[in-house]
Order: sequence, then structure tokens, then C-alpha cells
Amino acid sequence: DIQMTQSPSSLSVSVGDTVTITCRASQSISASLNWYQQRPGKAPKLLIYGASFLHSGVPRRFTGRGSGTDFTLTITSLESEDFATYYCQQSYSTLRTFGQGTKVEIK
Amino acid sequence: EVQLLESGGGLVQPGGSLRLSCEASGFTFSTFAMSWVRQAPGKGLEWVSTVSSLGGDTFYEDSVKGRFTISRDNSKNTLHLQMNSLRAEDTAAYFCAKEDTFWLAETSWDFYDSWGQGTLVTVSS
Repeated sequence: DIQMTQSPSSLSVSVGDTVTITCRASQSISASLNWYQQRPGKAPKLLIYGASFLHSGVPRRFTGRGSGTDFTLTITSLESEDFATYYCQQSYSTLRTFGQGTKVEIK
Repeated sequence: EVQLLESGGGLVQPGGSLRLSCEASGFTFSTFAMSWVRQAPGKGLEWVSTVSSLGGDTFYEDSVKGRFTISRDNSKNTLHLQMNSLRAEDTAAYFCAKEDTFWLAETSWDFYDSWGQGTLVTVSS
């Protein structure tokens, strides 16, 4: 199975900051990488698909980059609604896998 | 508007069984693959199983293979997960998710664009 490793596991930031989360695949997954946001008690929401395509309705302050094994999610000018947990997920293999999550907390 | 409504969760003893359902509306159910994703309390997301649009292909995470069965009834727009031989480590919120595909030239990418609110399964004596 393809293992997905995110870093960091958590980070404390302030409103207006820029945040970058990294996701690494255990083997090349081309650009088959998605990012989700999950707020406490809620279902996940799709942010980015195909490594860099912004899902409909998602603010442009979210940017996805990468291919192969290394990927990043960057959130610029962080807003209060962005404090949540973020997950990467590979869709290269039919056996889908998620990263362990990155919790973005208010400093 | 896409809606996914899970049901069937509850408290079950170790070794017991449960059948989860996910009622879909707002899209042509029979044209999309569907998945179950779970989340143990305080933990991350874990993919469980996927079924193709017409139900002919199924895929399972290793720890549930042989115990869980995913199926769908396209005439009723409903997804199911039959869970047998349940273990304490199966305790989680179970989400159903719709899988969409984006095509660009000859390349495609799959992703979960819609999720249900989840149903909680607790395995405990």
C-alpha cells in the first residue's frame, strides 16, 4: 500500500500568517493527490484535487503544488475559518490512503 | 444539491455485525464510484472500501478485508457496508463519500467531492 506522511502534525499560527503543509508519498503517485479540510465534528471538505486544481468554491488563498512523491498545501493570509485539520489523500492506487493529518491551531 | 445520509450505526459487542447504509440524492448515483471512510475518535481519516459505479469492482483496506462487504443498490440510490466480526478497533465514525473524476486530455484524477455527516459505530462489551 502507498503510505502518505504529512508534516508537521500540528502548528500554531496567527490570523494573516502563511502556512505550508507537506505531504510525502512512499512511492510516486504522479499528481494523484488531494487535500481536504476538516473542522471539529464535521465531515471533510475537498480543497484541492489533482495536486493543484482548486475545487469549486474554495478560496484562492489555498494553493496545492507537487508531483511524484512530494506535495505541499499553502494557505496564504490565514483567516479564522481556516483553523482546522488538513489531510492529504492519494488516488493513484485503488487502495486509497490518507495522511495522518495536520492540525492548524490559533497561536 | 448532493446529499448523502448515513444510517445504521450504533453500539455492538465484539464479534457482532452491523449494516450501514448511505442514501444518496441530488446526483445520478449509478454513474459514480462510492466509498466508505472512517475516523476513530480523536484520530485521522482512514479509507475503508470503494465500490465502482455499477458495483462490479470492490476494494478494501487490509484490516477489513474478509470481514466487511461493500455493496450498492442503484435502483434505490443506496450504498451499504456490511460489517461482520467487529472488533474494538473498528470503533469510528463512518462516512460515505462520492468519488468524482476530473479529466484533462488523457489524464484523470479521482477525488471525494461530497461526504455524508457520518454515523458512529461503537464496538464494546
